Formats: sequence, structure tokens, C-alpha cells
Amino acid sequence: QVQLQQWGAGLLKPSETLSLTCAVYGGSFSDYYWNWIRQSPGKGLEWIGEITHSGSTSYNPSLTSRVIMSVDTLKKQFSLKLTSVTAADTAIYYCAIWVPAAKKGYFLEWGQGTLAIVSS
Amino acid sequence: SSELTQDPAVSVALGQTVRITCQGDSLRSHYASWYQQKQGQAPILVMYGKNNRPSGIPDRFSGSTSGDPASLTITGAQAEDEADYFCGSRDSSDKRVFGGGTKLTVL
Repeated sequence: QVQLQQWGAGLLKPSETLSLTCAVYGGSFSDYYWNWIRQSPGKGLEWIGEITHSGSTSYNPSLTSRVIMSVDTLKKQFSLKLTSVTAADTAIYYCAIWVPAAKKGYFLEWGQGTLAIVSS
Repeated sequence: SSELTQDPAVSVALGQTVRITCQGDSLRSHYASWYQQKQGQAPILVMYGKNNRPSGIPDRFSGSTSGDPASLTITGAQAEDEADYFCGSRDSSDKRVFGGGTKLTVL
């Protein structure tokens, strides 16, 4: 059974960079795609982007200019950087596993979530 | 705005059946998946693929995950089913998308 544990700074000032990391326990690192999703307070889920074990990335067009994802296959970790944050980036950030099953892909597991607050 | 559309809220009497729907063009090409999120918790997968339930999800959860709309049905809703339910899929550019979520209240 694959599990995720995430961590990162929770309080940022405007214009700073949000940095989060997610560790993968169990399972094959190359079988899945590694995603970041966020949820603003009281709102729905917003997909941020995805990285594969080989480093290929796909980002939400609305965030692509500020998102950088990376992967460390030896440590079985993947990371998110979101630059130039504003109050609108205040949200709970989740890492999640995407199972790439042709037309039937789905998010198998989610991290516990990290609340990131942007405030001056 | 979401490319998948869900009713914001639905209620069901305890023990009755409720159907939560998800509409969107991408569902004509890709299956939906469904996620349950209880207050203060991370989402969990409750339905995926061709109407598959992960282990640990009660069999009162069923679904129609292909086609537009897709749906999640809870037959004999229990108090512990009260939660937000999100559908997910992919858009035409293979980006992941979510519905806005449906808040289920069990009366």
C-alpha cells in the first residue's frame, strides 16, 4: 500500500516562494504520477500539476508561470515550489498519487495536507 | 471555474438512497473518479475506473463512472457518509480537473 507524507513551510509573506515536499512509502515509484492539488478555505479542489518519475511535468495553465516541480527518485520524494505567492495562494496543499490507467486514471492516495498561509 | 459541474448540496434521509451527479464534456472521453472529504480531512478515493470501489469502501457506494453525467449512488445512506464529494477526471489537454463538490447532508 502506497502512502504519502508531506511537509513544508506554512506561513509565508507575499512575493515569497512556497516550498513543499512529499515522501512516498511503499509501492513502485515509477508506476504512478506525482501530483499537487490545493484547496482554498471552504472551496473546491484545484489541480496544480504533475511530475513523473523521469521528471516530465504538466502544470495547470493558470499557474504554470509560477510552478516548479521536481523529483528525487533515490529518496522517493517529489517537491513543489510556487513562486511570488499572494494571499490568493492561501490554501491547503495536498500531494497525491495519480494512477495513469488509460481513460480510467484516478487519484489513489492523498497526503495529509499542509496549510499554507500568505500574509504580510 | 470547474470543467466538471456538480450540484453544490444534496440531502438524504438516513437509510435512504442518494445520487450525486457530475457533468462535463470530458466525461464523454474519460471515466470519472469520486472522492469523499470529511471535515478537516484529506479526500479519499471512493469510486474509480469502471465502477470500482477501493478496499474498505462499503458496498452501499456504487457508481456510473462513464458518460455524461457520471454519478455516485449511496444506497442506504449512513450518518458517517455526511461529507463533501468531488468528482475528478481529465480534460481534452490531459490536465486533471475536479468538480466543485457536493455537500451531502444526512438527515
